[in-house]
Amino acid sequence: KNEVEQSPQNLTAQEGEFITINCSYSVGISALHWLQQHPGGGIVSLFMLSSGKKKHGRLIATINIQEKHSSLHITASHPRDSAVYICAHISNFGNEKLTFGTGTRLTIIP
Amino acid sequence: DADVTQTPRNRITKTGKRIMLECSQTKGHDRMYWYRQDPGLGLRLIYYSFDVKDINKGEISDGYSVSRQAQAKFSLSLESAIPNQTALYFCATSGSSGGRSSYEQYFGPGTRLTVT
Repeated sequence: KNEVEQSPQNLTAQEGEFITINCSYSVGISALHWLQQHPGGGIVSLFMLSSGKKKHGRLIATINIQEKHSSLHITASHPRDSAVYICAHISNFGNEKLTFGTGTRLTIIP
Repeated sequence: DADVTQTPRNRITKTGKRIMLECSQTKGHDRMYWYRQDPGLGLRLIYYSFDVKDINKGEISDGYSVSRQAQAKFSLSLESAIPNQTALYFCATSGSSGGRSSYEQYFGPGTRLTVT
């Protein structure tokens, strides 16, 4: 069982819809990383958070440390948001290495 | 210009050949990482380096070696390539300053390697 589980694996939505991608993990963590992988393959860091909530434009990331769960929300989704969204955690064992989920493939239809 | 660059971007090679993938960064970060990505498996860590004199194996280091030539350069070598090393390879960096680590990692554009 992967230490990091994402759901759904695939998501197709209409432009304008509110999107939620979930990430659950099984170990204590120091921080959680949300990444976006474009269709061309490039990976971009979206958020790094260890508590609460962060917002950047139409993207919001939340984390609940007690429940070992994080969500990534996209408001007013747009076709350019189509990408694979990857969640990764850094365990609190002190080695500072990322453990990755397998990603959620999001497709926004115009 | 990109902060983290990788060369080559695409490479097709034959089984048994030696190949080197190079990564350079201008972010001034001390920590560098090599990952491979396979469909359905997510990113997996091959090697990582926290400074020039520090090299560590990741979860899938067999068949690979690395060299940290300078703070800004981290190379990955496949001594004798095999077909199951066909994958997308990413270099990443992260930094620390004032004695505190920044966990956020910044990725290069990736190298698509095909071993025939």
